Amino acid sequence: QKEVEQDPGPLSVPEGAIVSLNCTYSNSAFQYFMWYRQYSRKGPELLMYTYSSGNKEDGRFTAQVDKSSKYISLFIRDSQPSDSATYLCAVLGGNSGNTPLVFGKGTRLSVIA
Amino acid sequence: EPEVTQTPSHQVTQMGQEVILRCVPISNHLYFYWYRQILGQKVEFLVSFYNNEISEKSEIFDDQFSVERPDGSNFTLKIRSTKLEDSAMYFCASSGVTGGFNEQFFGPGTRLTVL
Repeated sequence: QKEVEQDPGPLSVPEGAIVSLNCTYSNSAFQYFMWYRQYSRKGPELLMYTYSSGNKEDGRFTAQVDKSSKYISLFIRDSQPSDSATYLCAVLGGNSGNTPLVFGKGTRLSVIA
Repeated sequence: EPEVTQTPSHQVTQMGQEVILRCVPISNHLYFYWYRQILGQKVEFLVSFYNNEISEKSEIFDDQFSVERPDGSNFTLKIRSTKLEDSAMYFCASSGVTGGFNEQFFGPGTRLTVL
């Protein structure tokens, strides 16, 4: 069972564009939804997380979860060349400290100046 | 800012050899994890560790793998007899204990190449 699906891209946009990244998941038990950013030859770094459904905004980034359709989105406004990275969606089944993360495959984003 | 560190950054080994990947988690964290990422594939969970024992492990984490916290700072992953398919990036992560969401902080990874 493929638990988290993510279009791997690559996605190339001009500087200043709005970027939309999406994932779907299969298990309705998932409660926490994360977006990680991974630069080349680095480990994943948490960008944002959302609990249950709804939106969360942090500067130019907005995370959105629709639990009814099991759909996770990340929007980047006014994209910058420094946003060029691989973006990984991830889910967490609970909040116990040892709950494994389940990742999507990652979408490689290039923002062209 | 505290960070997870991993050594070595790149390890090349011959098939059948044992390798030990090392990690220093963030000092006040209590949960430790290993994940791996085969080139072009998803980041996959291997094992979690708490209170000096394995909390959870995936089906990937078979008898060839073991983890250890030999002292108060290091966390190691041992692969007893490496196979070609063990070639991957291995990420260590750690998390603390709070009343809410516990972020898992990742290290930079060790690239393991099995020849």
